[in-house]
Amino acid sequence: DSGVTQTPKHLITATGQRVTLRCSPRSGDLSVYWYQQSLDQGLQFLIQYYNGEERAKGNILERFSAQQFPDLHSELNLSSLELGDSALYFCASSSRRDRGLDTGELFFGEGSRLTVL
Amino acid sequence: DQQVKQNSPSLSVQEGRISILNCDYTNSMFDYFLWYKKYPAEGPTFLISISSIKDKNEDGRFTVFLNKSAKHLSLHIVPSQPGDSAVYFCAASPINTGTASKLTFGTGTRLQVTL
Repeated sequence: DSGVTQTPKHLITATGQRVTLRCSPRSGDLSVYWYQQSLDQGLQFLIQYYNGEERAKGNILERFSAQQFPDLHSELNLSSLELGDSALYFCASSSRRDRGLDTGELFFGEGSRLTVL
Repeated sequence: DQQVKQNSPSLSVQEGRISILNCDYTNSMFDYFLWYKKYPAEGPTFLISISSIKDKNEDGRFTVFLNKSAKHLSLHIVPSQPGDSAVYFCAASPINTGTASKLTFGTGTRLQVTL
């Protein structure tokens, strides 16, 4: 158990719909990262939040947005869903508690599998 | 543009033998490398890492080798155990950016350790 909790584990929805994925980081971790893993692809970095603020953006579509709340949980909102958005969405948190060097040793949740029909 | 490549989608090894998983990268700015292991229905878990100032890092049965001139790294598992059966992801980062958001992952190699 990594200590990172993601809900829901599975989600099936239709094209054009909107969904929200939720993530609770490990206790004390201030950084939250969102990754997307499509079929036969590596994990693609979407976005990072640190203590409520957006820290870095990757290949995140404009239809997607995220936020981190004061209690440090994070939500990833996916809207106007397309078939190609079907993927595993992982949340990860970092053991680094400050703005210092972050070596990439991330703790991942079990992922949310999104299927768009 | 796949900057981190794991060209073997799968690998089968007998229990007790050595497993060698390979990873190539193209970005010369990468100077920190990690391996993650992923079991089905679980998130990836950090396994081992290596900085570009080293060419080898060992942790128990797991050893990572880095060949900077060839832009190649490998993960050796000796001896392989059935519990090692998982998907292994190689990842790389330009560490001086100071953030894990610059991690680039490979597509993974599925290792199966047979009895």
